[in-house]
Amino acid sequence: QKEVEQDPGPLSVPEGAIVSLNCTYSNSAFQYFMWYRQYSRKGPELLMYTYSSGNKEDGRFTAQVDKSSKYISLFIRDSQPSDSATYLCAVTGGTSYGKLTFGQGTILTVHP
Amino acid sequence: GAVVSQHPSRVICKSGTSVKIECRSLDFQATTMFWYRQFPKQSLMLMATSNEGSKATYEQGVEKDKFLINHASLTLSTLTVTSAHPEDSSFYICSATWVNEQFFGPGTRLTVL
Repeated sequence: QKEVEQDPGPLSVPEGAIVSLNCTYSNSAFQYFMWYRQYSRKGPELLMYTYSSGNKEDGRFTAQVDKSSKYISLFIRDSQPSDSATYLCAVTGGTSYGKLTFGQGTILTVHP
Repeated sequence: GAVVSQHPSRVICKSGTSVKIECRSLDFQATTMFWYRQFPKQSLMLMATSNEGSKATYEQGVEKDKFLINHASLTLSTLTVTSAHPEDSSFYICSATWVNEQFFGPGTRLTVL
């Protein structure tokens, strides 16, 4: 079983749609949860960072963590064509603190 | 913001040659840098953790004699792919840690013919 599972998609939505991206993780020692956005042939950039269960909002982005079910989500409201990218969840914590374990990444396309 | 650069951005080489990739933190000092490998449409796989002034720590299954890492200063880490073969063709990405956050470089596309 992979430590982090993420549906690779691809996901295609119309502009303005609400996008839901999800990951599950297996190790309860993971305490920190991140979402990265990666454009084609570029390095990932950090979108959201959380460490507790619940919701965290930043503009059109909301990160949600449910530690009891080991489930993390990223919601994008009013999606834009510029949001088209690969979204990667990442976790760290416990004895692996500082090292990031990434999900497979979900390819998102927002069409006008 | 914290900026990480990589050089070169793209390299094509013949099988059997060695290739060096540089990772620099431009506006901060990083005691720890990480090297990742990413195959097309796949996730980033951590290869090694590079600490300034000490030997790198390699992840299980990564050949340390194949992928030489040197972290000579607080702003520079290098990855050398020795005797490269076509199966080493990949996208190599480094990251540097600053204030508990990892900042990623733009990546280096290596193609071995």
